[in-house]
Amino acid sequence: KQEVTQIPAALSVPEGENLVLNCSFTDSAIYNLQWFRQDPGKGLTSLLLIQSSQREQTSGRLNASLDKSSGRSTLYIAASQPGDSATYLCAPRETSGSRLTFGEGTQLTVNP
Amino acid sequence: GAGVSQSPSNKVTEKGKDVELRCDPISGHTALYWYRQSLGQGLEFLIYFQGNSAPDKSGLPSDRFSAERTGGSVSTLTIQRTQQEDSAVYLCASSLVPLNTGELFFGEGSRLTVL
Repeated sequence: KQEVTQIPAALSVPEGENLVLNCSFTDSAIYNLQWFRQDPGKGLTSLLLIQSSQREQTSGRLNASLDKSSGRSTLYIAASQPGDSATYLCAPRETSGSRLTFGEGTQLTVNP
Repeated sequence: GAGVSQSPSNKVTEKGKDVELRCDPISGHTALYWYRQSLGQGLEFLIYFQGNSAPDKSGLPSDRFSAERTGGSVSTLTIQRTQQEDSAVYLCASSLVPLNTGELFFGEGSRLTVL
């Protein structure tokens, strides 16, 4: 059974800082890994999808890396802004059954 | 449609009643998922539909829960004889195949409160 761990559980930083969110997973038999953000009371918004054959994916100030063999992914946020405040979730997509398994998330607060 | 649409957005019901939650996926997306998010908890997989294949129902918590997908598009999640522990946000998501490149898109969810 896939298990996903996200560290830290919560993070509070001043505006402008660069930061790294960590995700680890136990089963490396995955199609891809997706990062989402969730604002309070809302659904999930897709940020980045990294295919299993890729090492990195970038979108604006966000950069996600994937080391499938070691079961790790990181999300790097450059020059953080108050609007980045949300819960960030990672979810690897298993090749058996095709479900995504979610971590508990990292709750990020960026202070002005 | 432009995105995944779910209805109702909020549902309050009495214990023991049946409820139906609807999901309209993005047009052309053949993969459809239901997840549940309880207060302060992570996302819990419920069921997965892919085209005409038999659905993966392994995440349904009890036989009070069922789901169907008609015509390969709209899906309905039904909870019979609701219990207070069923209170949660029910999220639907869809994606294209092949699954290695298919990005998953979520709806805004249906918040269920069982009194």
